[in-house]
Amino acid sequence: NAGVMQNPRHLVRRRGQEARLRCSPMKGHSHVYWYRQLPEEGLKFMVYLQKENIIDESGMPKERFSAEFPKEGPSILRIQQVVRGDSAAYFCASSPPNGANEKLFFGSGTQLSVL
Amino acid sequence: SQQGEEDPQALSIQEGENATMNCSYKTSINNLQWYRQNSGRGLVHLILIRSNEREKHSGRLRVTLDTSKKSSSLLITASRAADTASYFCATDLEAAGNKLTFGGGTRVLVKP
Repeated sequence: NAGVMQNPRHLVRRRGQEARLRCSPMKGHSHVYWYRQLPEEGLKFMVYLQKENIIDESGMPKERFSAEFPKEGPSILRIQQVVRGDSAAYFCASSPPNGANEKLFFGSGTQLSVL
Repeated sequence: SQQGEEDPQALSIQEGENATMNCSYKTSINNLQWYRQNSGRGLVHLILIRSNEREKHSGRLRVTLDTSKKSSSLLITASRAADTASYFCATDLEAAGNKLTFGGGTRVLVKP
Protein backbone atom coordinates (compact mmCIF):
# COMPACT_ATOMS: atom_id res chain seq x y z
CA ASN A 1 0.00 0.00 0.00
CA ALA A 2 1.79 3.06 -1.26
CA GLY A 3 1.86 6.07 1.01
CA VAL A 4 0.84 9.60 0.13
CA MET A 5 2.59 10.52 -3.11
CA GLN A 6 3.52 14.07 -3.93
CA ASN A 7 5.13 15.33 -7.08
CA PRO A 8 7.24 16.98 -8.08
CA ARG A 9 9.64 16.71 -5.17
CA HIS A 10 11.27 19.98 -6.14
CA LEU A 11 9.80 22.71 -8.32
CA VAL A 12 11.58 25.83 -9.51
CA ARG A 13 9.57 28.67 -10.97
CA ARG A 14 10.31 32.22 -11.99
CA ARG A 15 8.20 35.05 -10.65
CA GLY A 16 4.91 35.27 -12.52
CA GLN A 17 4.80 31.62 -13.58
CA GLU A 18 2.29 29.05 -12.39
CA ALA A 19 3.06 26.21 -10.00
CA ARG A 20 1.06 22.98 -9.93
CA LEU A 21 1.61 20.60 -7.04
CA ARG A 22 0.10 17.13 -7.10
CA CYS A 23 -0.92 14.81 -4.32
CA SER A 24 -2.24 11.27 -4.51
CA PRO A 25 -3.66 10.19 -1.14
CA MET A 26 -3.24 6.74 0.31
CA LYS A 27 -5.52 4.12 -1.16
CA GLY A 28 -8.92 4.27 0.48
CA HIS A 29 -8.39 7.76 1.89
CA SER A 30 -10.95 10.37 0.95
CA HIS A 31 -9.72 13.35 2.97
CA VAL A 32 -6.85 15.49 1.69
CA TYR A 33 -5.16 18.34 3.51
CA TRP A 34 -2.58 20.81 2.23
CA TYR A 35 -0.11 22.50 4.57
CA ARG A 36 2.72 24.97 3.96
CA GLN A 37 5.96 25.01 5.91
CA LEU A 38 8.60 27.73 5.99
CA PRO A 39 12.17 26.86 7.11
CA GLU A 40 12.46 26.20 10.85
CA GLU A 41 8.71 26.68 11.33
CA GLY A 42 5.67 24.52 11.87
CA LEU A 43 3.04 23.62 9.32
CA LYS A 44 0.34 26.13 8.43
CA PHE A 45 -3.01 24.77 7.35
CA MET A 46 -4.15 25.80 3.89
CA VAL A 47 -7.10 23.71 2.74
CA TYR A 48 -9.08 20.54 3.46
CA LEU A 49 -10.81 18.69 0.65
CA GLN A 50 -12.89 15.63 0.07
CA LYS A 51 -13.61 14.20 -3.35
CA GLU A 52 -15.00 17.03 -5.52
CA ASN A 53 -15.58 19.26 -2.48
CA ILE A 54 -13.63 21.94 -0.68
CA ILE A 55 -14.55 21.54 2.98
CA ASP A 56 -12.37 24.19 4.62
CA GLU A 57 -10.19 26.70 2.76
CA SER A 58 -9.74 29.12 5.64
CA GLY A 59 -5.94 28.95 5.33
CA MET A 60 -5.75 29.68 1.63
CA PRO A 61 -4.69 33.14 0.46
CA LYS A 62 -7.64 34.82 -1.22
CA GLU A 63 -5.82 35.38 -4.48
CA ARG A 64 -3.65 33.25 -6.76
CA PHE A 65 -4.12 30.01 -4.78
CA SER A 66 -6.64 27.30 -5.61
CA ALA A 67 -7.05 23.62 -4.84
CA GLU A 68 -9.10 20.78 -6.19
CA PHE A 69 -9.62 17.09 -5.56
CA PRO A 70 -11.46 15.70 -8.58
CA LYS A 71 -13.43 12.50 -8.69
CA GLU A 72 -10.60 10.89 -10.63
CA GLY A 73 -6.95 11.72 -10.24
CA PRO A 74 -4.78 13.48 -7.69
CA SER A 75 -5.46 16.57 -5.67
CA ILE A 76 -3.90 19.68 -7.21
CA LEU A 77 -2.68 22.79 -5.43
CA ARG A 78 -2.30 25.55 -7.98
CA ILE A 79 -0.45 28.80 -7.42
CA GLN A 80 -0.77 31.39 -10.15
CA GLN A 81 1.69 34.22 -10.78
CA VAL A 82 4.09 33.00 -8.12
CA VAL A 83 6.09 35.46 -6.03
CA ARG A 84 9.25 34.90 -3.99
CA GLY A 85 7.19 34.74 -0.80
CA ASP A 86 5.53 31.56 -2.10
CA SER A 87 8.83 29.70 -1.72
CA ALA A 88 8.19 27.02 0.87
CA ALA A 89 7.66 23.31 1.37
CA TYR A 90 4.10 22.25 0.61
CA PHE A 91 2.89 19.08 2.29
CA CYS A 92 -0.14 17.04 1.51
CA ALA A 93 -1.71 14.68 4.04
CA SER A 94 -4.59 12.24 3.82
CA SER A 95 -6.84 10.40 6.22
CA PRO A 96 -9.48 7.68 5.84
CA PRO A 97 -13.22 8.44 5.52
CA ASN A 98 -13.92 8.17 9.25
CA GLY A 99 -10.64 9.64 10.38
CA ALA A 100 -10.86 13.37 9.86
CA ASN A 101 -8.61 15.11 12.39
CA GLU A 102 -7.30 11.77 13.58
CA LYS A 103 -4.03 10.33 12.34
CA LEU A 104 -2.79 12.08 9.21
CA PHE A 105 -0.47 10.44 6.72
CA PHE A 106 1.91 12.90 5.10
CA GLY A 107 3.67 12.91 1.78
CA SER A 108 7.33 13.90 1.44
CA GLY A 109 6.39 17.36 0.28
CA THR A 110 7.11 19.59 -2.70
CA GLN A 111 9.81 22.19 -2.22
CA LEU A 112 8.85 25.22 -4.27
CA SER A 113 11.56 27.71 -5.08
CA VAL A 114 10.63 30.95 -6.79
CA LEU A 115 13.49 32.76 -8.48
CA SER B 1 -1.54 34.08 19.24
CA GLN B 2 -0.47 30.65 18.10
CA GLN B 3 -1.92 27.36 19.29
CA GLY B 4 0.32 24.43 20.02
CA GLU B 5 3.48 26.16 21.13
CA GLU B 6 6.33 23.76 21.80
CA ASP B 7 8.97 24.25 24.42
CA PRO B 8 11.92 24.18 24.18
CA GLN B 9 12.53 25.19 20.57
CA ALA B 10 15.69 23.12 20.50
CA LEU B 11 17.13 20.34 22.65
CA SER B 12 20.54 18.69 22.55
CA ILE B 13 21.16 15.51 24.54
CA GLN B 14 23.49 12.52 24.67
CA GLU B 15 22.42 9.11 23.48
CA GLY B 16 20.77 7.18 26.29
CA GLU B 17 19.36 10.27 27.99
CA ASN B 18 15.68 11.13 28.11
CA ALA B 19 14.22 13.95 26.05
CA THR B 20 11.21 15.89 27.25
CA MET B 21 9.34 18.52 25.29
CA ASN B 22 6.15 20.38 26.07
CA CYS B 23 3.24 21.77 24.13
CA SER B 24 0.79 24.41 25.29
CA TYR B 25 -2.47 25.40 23.67
CA LYS B 26 -5.14 27.99 24.35
CA THR B 27 -8.60 26.61 23.63
CA SER B 28 -10.47 23.36 24.16
CA ILE B 29 -9.37 20.34 22.16
CA ASN B 30 -10.83 17.08 20.96
CA ASN B 31 -7.43 15.45 20.76
CA LEU B 32 -3.74 16.27 20.68
CA GLN B 33 -1.21 14.49 18.49
CA TRP B 34 2.56 14.35 18.25
CA TYR B 35 4.40 14.04 14.95
CA ARG B 36 8.03 13.63 14.03
CA GLN B 37 9.78 15.13 11.01
CA ASN B 38 13.18 14.18 9.76
CA SER B 39 15.03 16.83 7.81
CA GLY B 40 13.51 17.39 4.38
CA ARG B 41 10.78 14.79 4.86
CA GLY B 42 7.10 14.66 5.66
CA LEU B 43 5.67 14.27 9.13
CA VAL B 44 5.13 10.89 10.71
CA HIS B 45 2.37 10.36 13.26
CA LEU B 46 3.67 9.18 16.64
CA ILE B 47 0.80 9.18 19.08
CA LEU B 48 -2.69 10.60 19.68
CA ILE B 49 -4.15 11.41 23.07
CA ARG B 50 -7.80 12.32 23.49
CA SER B 51 -9.12 15.07 25.72
CA ASN B 52 -10.45 12.55 28.25
CA GLU B 53 -7.11 10.73 28.53
CA ARG B 54 -4.24 11.72 30.78
CA GLU B 55 -1.37 9.51 29.68
CA LYS B 56 -0.45 7.21 26.81
CA HIS B 57 2.54 5.07 26.03
CA SER B 58 3.95 3.77 22.78
CA GLY B 59 7.29 2.00 22.94
CA ARG B 60 9.84 4.52 24.26
CA LEU B 61 7.32 7.37 23.98
CA ARG B 62 5.20 8.66 26.82
CA VAL B 63 2.66 11.43 26.34
CA THR B 64 0.77 13.23 29.07
CA LEU B 65 -2.12 15.64 28.76
CA ASP B 66 -3.27 18.14 31.36
CA THR B 67 -6.42 19.82 30.09
CA SER B 68 -6.65 22.07 33.15
CA LYS B 69 -3.27 23.57 32.24
CA LYS B 70 -3.86 23.16 28.50
CA SER B 71 -0.54 21.43 28.08
CA SER B 72 0.98 18.18 26.94
CA SER B 73 4.41 16.65 27.21
CA LEU B 74 6.26 14.12 25.09
CA LEU B 75 8.97 12.05 26.74
CA ILE B 76 11.38 9.96 24.71
CA THR B 77 13.22 7.55 26.96
CA ALA B 78 16.68 6.12 26.31
CA SER B 79 17.17 8.29 23.25
CA ARG B 80 19.09 7.13 20.21
CA ALA B 81 20.90 9.05 17.50
CA ALA B 82 18.10 8.02 15.15
CA ASP B 83 15.66 10.03 17.30
CA THR B 84 17.28 13.22 15.96
CA ALA B 85 14.39 15.06 14.30
CA SER B 86 11.87 17.84 14.82
CA TYR B 87 8.85 17.02 16.93
CA PHE B 88 5.53 18.81 16.50
CA CYS B 89 2.36 18.80 18.51
CA ALA B 90 -0.91 19.20 16.65
CA THR B 91 -4.22 20.05 18.20
CA ASP B 92 -7.69 19.21 16.99
CA LEU B 93 -9.40 22.29 18.34
CA GLU B 94 -13.10 22.12 19.09
CA ALA B 95 -13.61 25.51 17.49
CA ALA B 96 -11.38 25.01 14.48
CA GLY B 97 -13.44 22.52 12.54
CA ASN B 98 -11.76 20.18 10.17
CA LYS B 99 -8.07 20.73 10.57
CA LEU B 100 -5.13 20.12 12.85
CA THR B 101 -3.21 23.13 14.13
CA PHE B 102 0.54 22.57 14.38
CA GLY B 103 3.04 24.25 16.66
CA GLY B 104 6.49 25.48 15.70
CA GLY B 105 8.23 22.29 16.78
CA THR B 106 11.10 21.21 18.99
CA ARG B 107 14.33 20.37 17.20
CA VAL B 108 16.00 17.46 18.99
CA LEU B 109 19.63 16.53 18.46
CA VAL B 110 20.78 13.26 19.99
CA LYS B 111 24.57 13.01 20.03
CA PRO B 112 26.09 9.54 19.78
